[in-house]
Amino acid sequence: AQKITQTQPGMFVQEKEAVTLDCTYDTSDPSYGLFWYKQPSSGEMIFLIYQGSYDQQNATEGRYSLNFQKARKSANLVISASQLGDSAMYFCAMRGTNDYKLSFGAGTTVTVRA
Amino acid sequence: NAGVTQTPKFQVLKTGQSMTLQCAQDMNHEYMSWYRQDPGMGLRLIHYSVGAGITDQGEVPNGYNVSRSTTEDFPLRLLSAAPSQTSVYFCASSYSRAGSSYEQYFGPGTRLTVT
Repeated sequence: AQKITQTQPGMFVQEKEAVTLDCTYDTSDPSYGLFWYKQPSSGEMIFLIYQGSYDQQNATEGRYSLNFQKARKSANLVISASQLGDSAMYFCAMRGTNDYKLSFGAGTTVTVRA
Repeated sequence: NAGVTQTPKFQVLKTGQSMTLQCAQDMNHEYMSWYRQDPGMGLRLIHYSVGAGITDQGEVPNGYNVSRSTTEDFPLRLLSAAPSQTSVYFCASSYSRAGSSYEQYFGPGTRLTVT
């Protein structure tokens, strides 16, 4: 079984600053994938970034980067140069090697202040 | 490509009523799944399917049925609605290779209220 923990229910960040969203996970799978999704107030789920457990480098996608620390079982999302449009809920999710299913954390709400 | 579509967008049911939430995708994805989203609990998997004719239970399957007769469609049936099933329901699809990097594509969601 997999467990995803997001300990920050809500965060405030000033526009143009960076923010780090915490995600820790627990799994017995030898390899796995980690995903981050964004859910704005309109409700849709938007895929942001993926990190494979055997990837040599941390994933980056534009202003999103993943601080992956395998030994600590953490996969924190960093949003650089925050914009007002980044205000949303963010979910960390995980899929094991032999699994089709995604397990989600409870989410973190980010509010960007002008 | 319409992606993943869900109908209806909103629904109000009385306790004991049944209904079907529709989900369709036009990306030829083998894997489809249903989640419910409740405040503070993230998304929880209800049922999933890895291809036509194949379905399995997720984390919270009680009170829900699914079937997959075609690759495109994956309806979710509420057999006898209960207030505890008040939630936002998401359908998602992806290519089915287990453990892959393929992300899941989500539908816009259905907001269901059971009174």
